Amino acid sequence: SQQGEEDPQALSIQEGENATMNCSYKTSINNLQWYRQNSGRGLVHLILIRSNEREKHSGRLRVTLDTSKKSSSLLITASRAADTASYFCATVSGAGSARQLTFGSGTQLTVLP
Amino acid sequence: DSGVTQTPKHLITATGQRVTLRCSPRSGDLSVYWYQQSLDQGLQFLIQYYNGEERAKGNILERFSAQQFPDLHSELNLSSLELGDSALYFCASSVGTRETQYFGPGTRLLVL
Repeated sequence: SQQGEEDPQALSIQEGENATMNCSYKTSINNLQWYRQNSGRGLVHLILIRSNEREKHSGRLRVTLDTSKKSSSLLITASRAADTASYFCATVSGAGSARQLTFGSGTQLTVLP
Repeated sequence: DSGVTQTPKHLITATGQRVTLRCSPRSGDLSVYWYQQSLDQGLQFLIQYYNGEERAKGNILERFSAQQFPDLHSELNLSSLELGDSALYFCASSVGTRETQYFGPGTRLLVL
């Protein structure tokens, strides 16, 4: 079953614009991660935000986490055509070495040149 | 390149058959995870091994099994294959207590 639900399911923007994707989840988490997947390829880890953090930046990426609302958002600034991909949020639960990622359904981002 | 390798890249087989997917984790990573990605179910966690032992189980069917060997590579065995098992199967690895998982390129399985 999916822990996270991304919104929107698909997003199309022009190069240079900002893209915002949202993720909601249901249970308590250790941390939340965002991954990117180019069509049919493996997933690439983008950023991790811990449950006690509210905001994190990495290059053109900004992630926020609101544990009271059980939601997170990923902002990609100054988007490029190369950012076209599917973006997934994943929540981490479990303890010690038994950790598993539970993925959302993903947002398909298309950046038009 | 994540450092995680998976073989084969593509696999085409028939219903009722059995296949084995192989994964080599990044050097030094003790945990291996298997995921299935299909159009209708999305990305589903199947099973995790840590240093040779099963640590967590997700939505893995009884027809599927996995193991992690002493050299830390892992194999996912899928038997009595059905059409609905057609999917991308990903392996990921991580250092035991770290949260970030590094994904391999996947094996695309097509059951005809």
